[in-house]
Amino acid sequence: ILNVEQSPQSLHVQEGDSTNFTCSFPSSNFYALHWYRWETAKSPEALFVMTLNGDEKKKGRISATLNTKEGYSYLYIKGSQPEDSATYLCAFIRVGSQGNLIFGKGTKLSVKP
Amino acid sequence: DGGITQSPKYLFRKEGQNVTLSCEQNLNHDAMYWYRQDPGQGLRLIYYSQIVNDFQKGDIAEGYSVSREKKESFPLTVTSAQKNPTAFYLCASSGASGTGETQYFGPGTRLLVL
Repeated sequence: ILNVEQSPQSLHVQEGDSTNFTCSFPSSNFYALHWYRWETAKSPEALFVMTLNGDEKKKGRISATLNTKEGYSYLYIKGSQPEDSATYLCAFIRVGSQGNLIFGKGTKLSVKP
Repeated sequence: DGGITQSPKYLFRKEGQNVTLSCEQNLNHDAMYWYRQDPGQGLRLIYYSQIVNDFQKGDIAEGYSVSREKKESFPLTVTSAQKNPTAFYLCASSGASGTGETQYFGPGTRLLVL
């Protein structure tokens, strides 16, 4: 059984705080890692697709890093805003899986104004 | 606008009844997927289709069936054999399966059992 673990399960921060959370995945047979953002009452939307060890990607105030050798990825949000409130999902793809995603349970972020 | 639509938003099923969830995309994507979300769990793959007239079982296919007669449509039927169908169902598509491309999601259908 392949497990993708995300921590923490939920996070409450004040507006302006920077925050980060973790996605852990099997380090063998790595193909790619996806990050998605899922706001309440909306569809999940893609943030990053990461494939190379040491990858670092950035989109505005959100960035992500990848360590495939130890099997983890960090997502960082700098200067959190209330509109960043959402559940952040990571999904792992292993070699030979036909590109199918294995999702973690998500980290639910709440940013208080 | 290009995107994925799912209907209905809410669906009620009676005991022993089959129900069909609709998923349509106008993104010209080859691959389509169905996921199920239960409270406290990650999204789990039910079925996927890499191309028209072809589909494969995901991790939790029992009690479900699909068809892929048209590129833009991938309906999911929840059969009476699915003993615990109450869940939130998400449809997704991607340009190609097997490449790890970004998946684009619909707004979801919540299925409730009467």
